[in-house]
Amino acid sequence: GQNIDQPTEMTATEGAIVQINCTYQTSGFNGLFWYQQHAGEAPTFLSYNVLDGLEEKGRFSSFLSRSKGYSYLLLKELQMKDSASYLCAAIDSNYQLIWGAGTKLIIKP
Amino acid sequence: GAVVSQHPSWVICKSGTSVKIECRSLDFQATTMFWYRQFPKQSLMLMATSNEGSKATYEQGVEKDKFLINHASLTLSTLTVTSAHPEDSSFYICSARGGQETGELFFGEGSRLTVL
Repeated sequence: GQNIDQPTEMTATEGAIVQINCTYQTSGFNGLFWYQQHAGEAPTFLSYNVLDGLEEKGRFSSFLSRSKGYSYLLLKELQMKDSASYLCAAIDSNYQLIWGAGTKLIIKP
Repeated sequence: GAVVSQHPSWVICKSGTSVKIECRSLDFQATTMFWYRQFPKQSLMLMATSNEGSKATYEQGVEKDKFLINHASLTLSTLTVTSAHPEDSSFYICSARGGQETGELFFGEGSRLTVL
């Protein structure tokens, strides 16, 4: 079956760095998205990876290893506003999105 | 970036009534739109996928007669919750994808439905 695994909850300190991991098992693979979602709001796009390697975008970076079925989202210089849920979603061979349950990130001062 | 507009943002209705939620792509043509449901502290649950001009594909366990989806144009999809009941109270979110198969999904702002 198809499956996405990511931690349920993580806690980090303001100003620090945190890495949120995501492993996936899909029928075929056409890329992986990371989305940020604040409580009561719709998700917002963070990144899309389809090739192996690291994509950096400001304080956020996303890494993909297709051979390992693994991705991570790296958040640097954490700010209180980064407290949110982070959703990992992989695209399978039918171009359908397979969603993870999301990782709730709690930032402490 | 592309914008998807969802309306209404909040709706409160009486049990037994029907509610329509609109999802519009404002600056691109959305060949495919997705409707999600999200309960508090839970992840997105895909309800159905709609392609312009054809019938929606519903996920297992989603009642197609209760959640009517129409995608009559490349910029508009609607979700109608028929004969709503309190258990239908949820956060409904639409997303749209353009012509590229692996293109980014653009999300609407979501609609909070409360059924009394």
